[in-house]
Amino acid sequence: NAGVTQTPKFQVLKTGQSMTLQCAQDMNHEYMSWYRQDPGMGLRLIHYSVGAGITDQGEVPNGYNVSRSTTEDFPLRLLSAAPSQTSVYFCASSFLTGQETQYFGPGTRLLVL
Amino acid sequence: QKEVEQDPGPLSVPEGAIVSLNCTYSNSAFQYFMWYRQYSRKGPELLMYTYSSGNKEDGRFTAQVDKSSKYISLFIRDSQPSDSATYLCAMTVMKTSYDKVIFGPGTSLSVIP
Repeated sequence: NAGVTQTPKFQVLKTGQSMTLQCAQDMNHEYMSWYRQDPGMGLRLIHYSVGAGITDQGEVPNGYNVSRSTTEDFPLRLLSAAPSQTSVYFCASSFLTGQETQYFGPGTRLLVL
Repeated sequence: QKEVEQDPGPLSVPEGAIVSLNCTYSNSAFQYFMWYRQYSRKGPELLMYTYSSGNKEDGRFTAQVDKSSKYISLFIRDSQPSDSATYLCAMTVMKTSYDKVIFGPGTSLSVIP
């Protein structure tokens, strides 16, 4: 099993550009989520999904879109990048039976100039 | 006041020392408590998971929860250089409240050989 994979590992964007961060998992997990991690702030939930076709907003959803067409994939789209979106983004997944078994991907470092 | 507070460190200890990492929280409804370990430029990985008050031991690691004081701790015995990482506490009210997990900002630990 590859677990949770994320691409790209690092990206530089200019203000106003759009891009998609990819996330995939091969553990047949129903629940997938996107977090951003900023210094001194802890992990903050952006969007999450409890299954294919079902998504919902987390704590900091503005400026981001998600969709879940398959169980395996959960891409995060930045619509019009802003410097405030400079961060490290983590995708995570778990079964619906318990939050304690959440698995994280290796992260995508995003720099918006 | 943040819901979960954690001293960011950095904390530097000699190899073999006992390490104490702590978090305080304000929401008395939290019942599930987790500790994640995050190596540099990697995603967090679950280290310990406890429910309600009390202690839980796993090898060199002991997680302690004091709900009356709204205080949780992670103790590492016989610390090793491989324990050098950032430790994140996390907590939630319900086991299945996937969108309500609150993470602390993390404590950076260095174990010096």
